[in-house]
Amino acid sequence: RKEVEQDPGPFNVPEGATVAFNCTYSNSASQSFFWYRQDCRKEPKLLMSVYSSGNEDGRFTAQLNRASQYISLLIRDSKLSDSATYLCVVTPPMKTSYDKVIFGPGTSLSVIP
Amino acid sequence: EADIYQTPRYLVIGTGKKITLECSQTMGHDKMYWYQQDPGMELHLIHYSYGVNSTEKGDLSSESTVSRIRTEHFPLTLESARPSHTSQYLCATQRQGGTEAFFGQGTRLTVV
Repeated sequence: RKEVEQDPGPFNVPEGATVAFNCTYSNSASQSFFWYRQDCRKEPKLLMSVYSSGNEDGRFTAQLNRASQYISLLIRDSKLSDSATYLCVVTPPMKTSYDKVIFGPGTSLSVIP
Repeated sequence: EADIYQTPRYLVIGTGKKITLECSQTMGHDKMYWYQQDPGMELHLIHYSYGVNSTEKGDLSSESTVSRIRTEHFPLTLESARPSHTSQYLCATQRQGGTEAFFGQGTRLTVV
């Protein structure tokens, strides 16, 4: 089983739709959680951090459920410019200096006119 | 904005050549990572370092090698390039303590 798993996608949605991405992680002691966005042929960039209390940034809402080891990203009122691959990212407890960040495989989103 | 630089951005090279991909950062981050990514595919970790003189192999077997003599630099070397090495190589850094990772713009390598 992969340490971080995501919806396989791709998601093809019309403009204005609401879309939700799901992610699960296997290490219950994981420390920090993020959503990254990667455009075609570009490097991944941080979209937002994910907190237990949930956080919102404009049309984007991220939620963390530690008990279920589940992370979600909700995009409301989808725009064409939201088309990208969304990566779920988890950092382990970092109890040792060699613990490393874990990237999920990504879920591709295409917003269609 | 993170200060992480990869050179070259694009490289086309013949089979059998030795190549070194450079990754430099000015943030003083202890952790550095090399990922290989083919178009439309997921990131694959090939090497990482958690500090000077420390390197570890990643999840994906790779014929490349890395070194970490200085905090700022984490070069990746292919002793003999092959067409199967054609891919995008992304370098990332991370501060100790589980914060977010920052990526360079990547090197797109084509071996002919």
